[in-house]
Amino acid sequence: GEDVEQSLFLSVREGDSSVINCTYTDSSSTYLYWYKQEPGAGLQLLTYIFSNMDMKQDQRLTVLLNKKDKHLSLRIADTQTGDSAIYFCAEMNSGGYQKVTFGTGTKLQVIP
Amino acid sequence: EPEVTQTPSHQVTQMGQEVILRCVPISNHLYFYWYRQILGQKVEFLVSFYNNEISEKSEIFDDQFSVERPDGSNFTLKIRSTKLEDSAMYFCASSEARGGSGNTIYFGEGSWLTVV
Repeated sequence: GEDVEQSLFLSVREGDSSVINCTYTDSSSTYLYWYKQEPGAGLQLLTYIFSNMDMKQDQRLTVLLNKKDKHLSLRIADTQTGDSAIYFCAEMNSGGYQKVTFGTGTKLQVIP
Repeated sequence: EPEVTQTPSHQVTQMGQEVILRCVPISNHLYFYWYRQILGQKVEFLVSFYNNEISEKSEIFDDQFSVERPDGSNFTLKIRSTKLEDSAMYFCASSEARGGSGNTIYFGEGSWLTVV
């Protein structure tokens, strides 16, 4: 079945860039997402990218997709303490009924 | 901005009791989902619902679980006889349509279920 893997933890200093990486196995993945989860809160959609794109930029967020290597990354420029959260990579194969497979989540700690 | 709303935010129930978690999806959305996240674990797909019927379900979604859209706005998840291992955060989600940006899936804040 589909699998999505992420490193568990990332620590960066405030003002630096953060890069969160993700790999997935489903070569039919059509949509790839990044969600943010703050402690005790829900899943906030940050951004998404279609598989026919290789980059998407949205303010401080840059998503890079290497479809050949099935690798997705999220870069957060000028990381702030408010960016501290768990970041989930997720993929969906549009051939199914929109079931989303989530990664394990990467806990981002921003050090002031 | 439209959002998915869920109630209750937290429920404590005794093992064996029935629980109903409620969700109001975004109003023009057609696809509805339930996911769950056991503490410290991955977010797992439970079920998707379209056109008043289940379109896909995972192996977690056994006979103890059911979903319903009782009216034009609510979408519910019922657990018939709760077990300790049902303790989790349950997320409702919805999306507009298949294809294009309609595949963007929006999640609610979650309902934290504790079974004691």
